[in-house]
Amino acid sequence: QAVLTQPSSLSASPGASASLTCTLRSGINVGTYRIYWYQQKPGSPPQYLLSYTSDSDNHQGSGVPSRFSGSKDASANAGILLISGLQSEDEADYYCMIWHNSASVFGGGSKLTVL
Amino acid sequence: QLQLQESGPGLVKPSETLSLTCTVSGGSISSSNYYWGWIRQPPGKGLEWIGSISYSGTLYYNPSLKSRVPIYADPSKNQFSLRLNSVTAADTAVYFCARHVRHITIFGLLMEGYFDYWGQGILVTVSS
Repeated sequence: QAVLTQPSSLSASPGASASLTCTLRSGINVGTYRIYWYQQKPGSPPQYLLSYTSDSDNHQGSGVPSRFSGSKDASANAGILLISGLQSEDEADYYCMIWHNSASVFGGGSKLTVL
Repeated sequence: QLQLQESGPGLVKPSETLSLTCTVSGGSISSSNYYWGWIRQPPGKGLEWIGSISYSGTLYYNPSLKSRVPIYADPSKNQFSLRLNSVTAADTAVYFCARHVRHITIFGLLMEGYFDYWGQGILVTVSS
């Protein structure tokens, strides 16, 4: 079982909100991890969006709009990237990441379609 | 503005060694606030962290690749390098270098952090 699992794709309408989930493997407690989120558009390197541990411990990437935010769902053992006020330019692949045993682990990525 | 640029061969034969270099400009790699990382992405697939190194040589590796992937830093040239031994077709990927910003807490600098500046990536194909 992968350390981080993301849905392969999701779609949402312009102006709506999209919630991207990153589920941690059973036995790895989301409460003890900082979840990082990256956005990648075709032909470009990933861009760091934000990281989230708690409401009092989170970090927004430089120049990243506030409509990108992070949270956690402890009951689902998942990290969440919330994108509000979706714009066409938000159409991209999104990757979550954690540091686990001093090693970086990425989720498989979610393709967000804005239509 | 910090810039990173990967360089190396675009084609490597199976069982040979892949060598890539990342040249950093617009800033120095000689800061304890940062590590310098390699991440790869097979065509059409997701991201895989390879490893991160400090300017002084402190290393962290992906355990699945550790025995094959020496990483070096050369502060005098403001570069860091990757060597991947015994390559196979599974090593075909776009290879990115990136700055790894270490988190600062009340307890000091952590190893973990985020990758903020990235190179554009270099496609390396393993084929005979």
